[in-house]
Amino acid sequence: AQSVTQLGSHVSVSEGALVLLRCNYSSSVPPYLFWYVQYPNQGLQLLLKYTTGATLVKGINGFEAEFKKSETSFHLTKPSAHMSDAAEYFCAVRRFGNEKLTFGTGTRLTIIP
Amino acid sequence: DTEVTQTPKHLVMGMTNKKSLKCEQHMGHRAMYWYKQKAKKPPELMFVYSYEKLSINESVPSRFSPECPNSSLLNLHLHALQPEDSALYLCASSQVLIDEGGRSYEQYFGPGTRLTVT
Repeated sequence: AQSVTQLGSHVSVSEGALVLLRCNYSSSVPPYLFWYVQYPNQGLQLLLKYTTGATLVKGINGFEAEFKKSETSFHLTKPSAHMSDAAEYFCAVRRFGNEKLTFGTGTRLTIIP
Repeated sequence: DTEVTQTPKHLVMGMTNKKSLKCEQHMGHRAMYWYKQKAKKPPELMFVYSYEKLSINESVPSRFSPECPNSSLLNLHLHALQPEDSALYLCASSQVLIDEGGRSYEQYFGPGTRLTVT
């Protein structure tokens, strides 16, 4: 079975500071990995995805994530936080050949002015 | 265009009512999904349709009845709901569920319907 762990249910960073949201997965084979963002009272928006190939993935809104197989991690980063980044972030995995998307429990990002 | 639309945005219904949620996509996707999301929780998968056929039912109570009339539309019929069914209901779509090579594709989500059962 595959699972996703997001360390830190709540992360606060100052405006302009580095954003780091952690995601670790457990899977016997490298899965497909996704980061979604959810703004209040809205649906989920895909930020970025890793399937195969380059391990550093760039997404929308200046976010990027690096797939590290040895650490089974897919942490999300952004060099400089903006107020508009305040939202809930979900890491999700989907194993090759598996139909279901497994979500982490989410991390709420707060930006301090 | 990567838009999935859902109507209505908000719905309040009594426990004896019958209502329906609607989801539409025009991206040519052949897999469509219903998720339920409670406050401060991740989405939970309810149903998956692949090529207009029900592919996955996550043991959802029969008071929720999905329907896929065509490749662009997905409905969720609601009847005799309970207050604990109050949640955000999200629809999503993807290119296909799994292709012949076993690859799957990213899901695009709609804005959701906020359902309150009184």
